[in-house]
Parts: sequence; structure tokens; C-alpha cells
Amino acid sequence: DAGVIQSPRHEVTEMGQEVTLRCKPISGHDYLFWYRQTMMRGLELLIYFNNNVPIDDSGMPEDRFSAKMPNASFSTLKIQPSEPRDSAVYFCASSARQGKVGAITDTQYFGPGTRLTVL
Amino acid sequence: RKEVEQDPGPFNVPEGATVAFNCTYSNSASQSFFWYRQDCRKEPKLLMSVYSSGNEDGRFTAQLNRASQYISLLIRDSKLSDSATYLCVVIPSGGYNKLIFGAGTRLAVHP
Repeated sequence: DAGVIQSPRHEVTEMGQEVTLRCKPISGHDYLFWYRQTMMRGLELLIYFNNNVPIDDSGMPEDRFSAKMPNASFSTLKIQPSEPRDSAVYFCASSARQGKVGAITDTQYFGPGTRLTVL
Repeated sequence: RKEVEQDPGPFNVPEGATVAFNCTYSNSASQSFFWYRQDCRKEPKLLMSVYSSGNEDGRFTAQLNRASQYISLLIRDSKLSDSATYLCVVIPSGGYNKLIFGAGTRLAVHP
């Protein structure tokens, strides 16, 4: 079975350019998460969706970042304009509600990540 | 203070050694705990959940001490393939699906 798919795997761009990262979650999963990982701050949750609706975007650093999920099989994270401090690995993850009574959470499956470098 | 704190390591151990990592969390109302493993330049993967009574999965044992707010991971009989970064993960109270990651502890197992 295909896991979470992210594209591109690597992106090098110049400061001020628009960057769009893409994610295809595992089929049937109804939660989608965007994370950012840097040496300084570790792995941080940026935003997550449930059934294509944004639930919590409190981790989105600023207005330059936006995320959309137009359908159950596709999501984008956009940075406009990009800055050197946005350089990081961006992971997408998905999970499926197991429907267990009292379940605290469900296993999140991460994609391979997009390594973004902003010059 | 960070919500989840870990010793970054690295822990350099020979094959066959037993190694233990600790992690502390600041929110006493945190409700769920996990260990994730991340190989170099790869994505994180769930290693195991951590239950109040402690749990074991093969060579791996996880313990939770709610009173002291720390979580531990013990790896017995270390293998070269155990070399990775181990991330402590906490879900805060009311934070369904909102994983808070520690910075990770790096383990290097050598022959």
C-alpha cells in the first residue's frame, strides 16, 4: 500500500519566491497534519485537518504560511513570500479515526518530507 | 521551559549493551505518551505507546512515572540497526491528535 506521498522531495528557492508543498494522505485517512522540523526547534505541528476542514492552525508561524485541503486526497502548504528562516524539512502525516471508545489518538503515518532551502 | 525535554545525546554504546533514555514533560495533565524513532534524513515512525503500567515490546521497554512526569525507554541487547534518534512524544490534555515532540535523543550503536 502506498504511504503518505509528498512532493517535491527537495526544493531550493530564493528569498521572496512562493513555495508550494504537496501532500497525498493514505487513502481512507480522515486526518492530515503538517509539521516542520529544524535543528533549533525540533518537530512542530503547524496545522491539522479533519475531513478536509482545518481544525487547529495555531502552529502556523505567520501570515506568510497557508494550507488548504480541497479534497480528501490532496493538501498543500504554501509559503509566500519565502524567507531563509523557513528553511526546514516539512512533513505531512495522516491518520484514521479508529472509532475506539475513549481512544486518545490514532497512529500518525508520516511522509518522507520535503527538504526546503531558501537562499 | 520546553513542554517535552530530552537529553540530546549522543549515546554511543557497543552492540549488546543496554541503554536507557529519559524524557520529562511539563504539563501534568498530559494524557498520552509515545516513543517515535527517526532515522537519519527519514521520517519519524511510531516505536511504541507508553502505558501507565509500563509495557514491553521485544527488546524495548517503556515506563511512565506520572508523579515525577517522566517517561523512559530501555533498549536491551542493542543492535547496530537501533542507531537512530528517539523522540519522546506527549499529547496534552484535551489535545486529541496534537503530538508534542521532544527534540530527540541520538543513539549510535557501534560494533
